[in-house]
Amino acid sequence: GAGVSQSPRYKVAKRGQDVALRCDPISGHVSLFWYQQALGQGPEFLTYFQNEAQLDKSGLPSDRFFAERPEGSVSTLKIQRTQQEDSAVYLCASSGDYQGAEGNTIYFGEGSWLTVV
Amino acid sequence: RKEVEQDPGPFNVPEGATVAFNCTYSNSASQSFFWYRQDCRKEPKLLMSVYSSGNEDGRFTAQLNRASQYISLLIRDSKLSDSATYLCAVRYTGRRALTFGSGTRLQVQP
Repeated sequence: GAGVSQSPRYKVAKRGQDVALRCDPISGHVSLFWYQQALGQGPEFLTYFQNEAQLDKSGLPSDRFFAERPEGSVSTLKIQRTQQEDSAVYLCASSGDYQGAEGNTIYFGEGSWLTVV
Repeated sequence: RKEVEQDPGPFNVPEGATVAFNCTYSNSASQSFFWYRQDCRKEPKLLMSVYSSGNEDGRFTAQLNRASQYISLLIRDSKLSDSATYLCAVRYTGRRALTFGSGTRLQVQP
């Protein structure tokens, strides 16, 4: 597809369960971002990849959160031992080469809605 | 104190009204500025970038005030379809990721 694709769209997890959220960025986009958005709040930065390199993971809230992008395209955000406070929308975003004007535009996927019960 | 702050609203305005939102940022190493629009249960979508000299796109005008560290968005002749949450976003120097405010909710009423 032409946009950022995320799956699953909706996930209900029992507390303590591990979850994996997938992001398929726009083809050819170098940069990939994960954000967490709680109800009524703006997106909060989690982590950033440039190709396969994870250059910034300063936003990951705990060591239960882990992200990877092994081949520089698809990325997975994994949350271990989920807690109720992890309930949020997890947004993936991508952007193109930094040098061009296109590189400044960050495009978001529709998000993965996680509810931990 | 959050790095990027917005009045959460809601702003309830009649159709045809002019409405303005402000967004303040605390980090002076801020390089680029954006307004995103987010509809209910949808992803944020870029509305417009904000340039130093100010810029306009149809009914939307964005302005940047570096001295006072705020950006603004003005919407003229509001339409029902403008009802959404407006997020401001800041990119800091040397950082690729955007930092978002909490959003301002706009409800345009008939």
